[in-house]
Amino acid sequence: SYELTQPSSVSVSPGQTARIACSGDVLAKKYARWFQQKPGQAPVLIIYKDSERPSGIPERFSGSSSGTTVTLTISGAQVEDEADYYCYSAADIHVVFGGGTKLTVL
Amino acid sequence: EVQLVESGGGLVQPGRSLRLSCAASGFKFDDYAMHWVRQAPGKGLEWVSGISWNSGSIGYADSVKGRFTISRDNARNSLYLQMNSLRVEDTAFYYCAKIVGGLKDNWGQGTLVTVSA
Repeated sequence: SYELTQPSSVSVSPGQTARIACSGDVLAKKYARWFQQKPGQAPVLIIYKDSERPSGIPERFSGSSSGTTVTLTISGAQVEDEADYYCYSAADIHVVFGGGTKLTVL
Repeated sequence: EVQLVESGGGLVQPGRSLRLSCAASGFKFDDYAMHWVRQAPGKGLEWVSGISWNSGSIGYADSVKGRFTISRDNARNSLYLQMNSLRVEDTAFYYCAKIVGGLKDNWGQGTLVTVSA
């Protein structure tokens, strides 16, 4: 079965760069996406196709891929970026999610 | 503009059934596989089920296999999830999603299913 692994938490100070890694064998063949979810809100897609940013997503959010690991980078993290971040990927008719990473910015 | 609108959620007793619907617009529905994803309160995202464009390939999470049935009606641009033998642990927001290779995914706003006596 497919699995994606990400750290449960990451902490940075405002203005620093936050990096959240997501690893899994499926990522060597399939694209990754990233969701941002703030408390009480629906998830928002912030990265697709490993590194593409939907319109309206700030440029400080970027994605990269290397082998079986993808990384979400938030350059100059802001207090409002504090949220849960989920990576996910699709293989055939199945979708697999990482467990989520709580980003703290303080 | 792509729109996915879920409906059919609500409060239901354990053991009962519920049918969710997802109305799609803004894209050629019968070109794409579709999925249901859920998120229980305070928990992470969980893939529930997926169906290919022509219903020829279907998959389920182990947690719902044998109880839930996904289907689609391409003529009506609609996706469905028949949920039987509901359990308390099925309580979640249920999202309809178009998740496709190298394209930008599209998600609905979700519908809440609460299973409680």
